[in-house]
Amino acid sequence: AQSVTQPDIHITVSEGASLELRCNYSYGATPYLFWYVQSPGQGLQLLLKYFSGDTLVQGIKGFEAEFKRSQSSFNLRKPSVHWSDAAEYFCAVGAPDTNAGKSTFGDGTTLTVKP
Amino acid sequence: ETGVTQSPTHLIKTRGQQVTLRCSSQSGHNTVSWYQQALGQGPQFIFQYYREEENGRGNFPPRFSGLQFPNYSSELNVNALELDDSALYLCASSPADITDTQYFGPGTRLTVL
Repeated sequence: AQSVTQPDIHITVSEGASLELRCNYSYGATPYLFWYVQSPGQGLQLLLKYFSGDTLVQGIKGFEAEFKRSQSSFNLRKPSVHWSDAAEYFCAVGAPDTNAGKSTFGDGTTLTVKP
Repeated sequence: ETGVTQSPTHLIKTRGQQVTLRCSSQSGHNTVSWYQQALGQGPQFIFQYYREEENGRGNFPPRFSGLQFPNYSSELNVNALELDDSALYLCASSPADITDTQYFGPGTRLTVL
């Protein structure tokens, strides 16, 4: 069975600083990987996804993530954080023989942005 | 293009009651997935419907059931509510393609007293 671990429950960064959110997954083969963002009172919005090919994936809002097979990781990065990035971030993994709707999610990382 | 909508926004029930939550999928999407998100946790996959048939189920008891209608809207029914059923219930729709993105609704917040 697939699983996702987000080791950091809460991260605080200053506005303009760089950001890296960690995600480790467990799956027997190359999985489908996703990062979502959830703002208070809102549903989840997809930031980016990895299915195959280039291991560095570009997403919306200036985010990127890198798939590292040897480390079973898919960390999310942003070079300069804006106050509007404060939200909860979820990493998710899906099996390649299913679709995105059957994903397994981590428990999330809450991002606080200091002015 | 209309996004995914869910109703109601909030709901309060008592233990043992039954509840029905509704989801309208995005135009052109024939797959709907339901998730339960308990406080402080990530969403957990409940089940998925594709063209009115259940297409996969997570680790949830049979008292969680669903329907998908010909217009691809969907219902989640929960019988014999328990306190632990209190959560945000999210619906997501997607085209059937295996790699496609799913689009989430804002969720229904269910409180069981």
